[in-house]
Amino acid sequence: DIQMTQSPSSLSASVGDRVTITCRASQGISNSLAWYQQKPGKAPKLLLYAASRLESGVPSRFSGSGSGTDYTLTISSLQPEDFASYYCQQYYNVPTFGQGTKLEIK
Amino acid sequence: QITLKESGPTLVKPTQTLTLTCTFSGFSLSTSGVGVGWIRQPPGKALEWLALIYWDDDKRYSPSLKSRLTITKDTSKNQVVLTMTNMDPVDTATYFCAHRGYNWNLFDYWGQGTLVTVSS
Repeated sequence: DIQMTQSPSSLSASVGDRVTITCRASQGISNSLAWYQQKPGKAPKLLLYAASRLESGVPSRFSGSGSGTDYTLTISSLQPEDFASYYCQQYYNVPTFGQGTKLEIK
Repeated sequence: QITLKESGPTLVKPTQTLTLTCTFSGFSLSTSGVGVGWIRQPPGKALEWLALIYWDDDKRYSPSLKSRLTITKDTSKNQVVLTMTNMDPVDTATYFCAHRGYNWNLFDYWGQGTLVTVSS
């Protein structure tokens, strides 16, 4: 399996802050990376795929970058509705998810 | 409009077999490139991919759970069924089914999930 190491596991931030979440794969995954947002009691929502492609309807304050084994999700200016958990997932091989990042209000 | 919905027991006993059904609409599992996957999430923990079935009946399983999982499809009923044998309390989780997106093994539409508790 390809292991996905996500950091930080939790993060406190304020509305308007810029935040970055990192995902590292145990081997190169050629940009085969998706990011999901999950709110309590809800199903995950696809935000980005192919490392940097924004899913339709997702606000442009979300962006993704990276290559090889290291990838980042950036939220340029946090909005109240962005406080949630975030997961990366590689699909280069059989799918695996990161351990998640819980984004909380400071 | 793509929708998926999971159904099945909310409570199973240890050693029993779990059978979950995903009923979907808005796409056909006979269309090239289409797939449906199962993902689970123990309470307060991370997502874990379980299995995926493709339009051509190819199947993929999580290596760590492969011996316990079977995924099948009924194209005429728009359903995908996941069975997991020898259930244990650590298998207590919300089980999601999801649509394979962009012809890659990522998931762009998800069901609401169903909580399965394993307890005697």
